[in-house]
Amino acid sequence: AQKITQTQPGMFVQEKEAVTLDCTYDTSDPSYGLFWYKQPSSGEMIFLIYQGSYDQQNATEGRYSLNFQKARKSANLVISASQLGDSAMYFCAMSPISSGSARQLTFGSGTQLTVLP
Amino acid sequence: ETGVTQTPRHLVMGMTNKKSLKCEQHLGHNAMYWYKQSAKKPLELMFVYNFKEQTENNSVPSRFSPECPNSSHLFLHLHTLQPEDSALYLCASSQDRQGHEKLFFGSGTQLSVL
Repeated sequence: AQKITQTQPGMFVQEKEAVTLDCTYDTSDPSYGLFWYKQPSSGEMIFLIYQGSYDQQNATEGRYSLNFQKARKSANLVISASQLGDSAMYFCAMSPISSGSARQLTFGSGTQLTVLP
Repeated sequence: ETGVTQTPRHLVMGMTNKKSLKCEQHLGHNAMYWYKQSAKKPLELMFVYNFKEQTENNSVPSRFSPECPNSSHLFLHLHTLQPEDSALYLCASSQDRQGHEKLFFGSGTQLSVL
């Protein structure tokens, strides 16, 4: 069984500053992937960044980076230079890496980020 | 535009009604999913289809009936729903290959059951 924990129900950040959204996970799978999704008020879930459990380096995608600490089972999302458009719900998710079956993501409860002007 | 289209965007229905949610993906993916997002709860996986075959049914009540006629289309047929079924229903698709694989989501159908 997998479990994702996001302990921050809400976060505020000043525009142009960096913010870290926390995510811890629990799994017995030896190989897994970690994902972050953004959900604006429109409802659509937008993929942001991916980290494989065997990746040596932390993933980065533009202003998004994933602070992956395998021993601590944490996969925090760092957003640099926050913009007003970053205000949204952010979900951490994970999935085992296995062959022959469609991916199944387990999601956390989310963090509502509000960027202040 | 993510390539996954859901209709309708909003739906209000009574407990005795029958309605269907539609999802269409234009990405050439072979796996499609239904997720339920209730207020203050994590997303819950409902059904998974891989190459049109249902591979997962996460103990979903029979009042929800999925249909996948081909790899591009997915339906969720609803009948005799309960008020607690009110939620955002999200459709997603993926390529279903090993390694890095991400889900592409639609904008969802906001369902209200009266």
